[in-house]
Amino acid sequence: DAKTTQPNSMESNEEEPVHLPCNHSTISGTDYIHWYRQLPSQGPEYVIHGLTSNVNNRMASLAIAEDRKSSTLILHRATLRDAAVYYCILRAPTGNQFYFGTGTSLTVIP
Amino acid sequence: NAGVMQNPRHLVRRRGQEARLRCSPMKGHSHVYWYRQLPEEGLKFMVYLQKENIIDESGMPKERFSAEFPKEGPSILRIQQVVRGDSAAYFCASSLMDAATNEKLLFGSGTQLSVL
Repeated sequence: DAKTTQPNSMESNEEEPVHLPCNHSTISGTDYIHWYRQLPSQGPEYVIHGLTSNVNNRMASLAIAEDRKSSTLILHRATLRDAAVYYCILRAPTGNQFYFGTGTSLTVIP
Repeated sequence: NAGVMQNPRHLVRRRGQEARLRCSPMKGHSHVYWYRQLPEEGLKFMVYLQKENIIDESGMPKERFSAEFPKEGPSILRIQQVVRGDSAAYFCASSLMDAATNEKLLFGSGTQLSVL
């Protein structure tokens, strides 16, 4: 699976929107973009995934650049419970594994 | 079924002992993945199994580590003759379909292994 680049850490004020960036310049045409998050002392939790078009679900939105070399996870209104490490992952159709990298540690300030 | 169940939650072993980590996948899921997370690092893939078969073990250390997913019962990750470097959080994930369907993974809460 191709690798991704994310900032090590970000901060956000509570109830403000958060934009978490991810660069994946070596993405192939068939790689899906997945986001997971890991709360302290817990296993990762699925957030959202997409291929080319922007995606929305109850947790977040995923904005994918037109050239697909980058994407942004958008939390519309950060809460204290959103404090976690967010992983951006590329998944090839035949890949058995998700490459997690080190992710972005999000701190939410009350 | 509350989801993916891992036990024990915490496991302490002395150097040279064996560690057995168990994972019961989500009901109906027949695909299991094991990951290891060292302190301050991301998760590293270890092995992917289906019922009674190892599909991909490219992330497993060549010695002391083994995994199984029998027809009946949980998946087991076994570490023989543990060393201090094996101390880590071990996570199990399961999915309904195989990897090619691009389905999301459902993770357990992990087993924290500490080797004294």
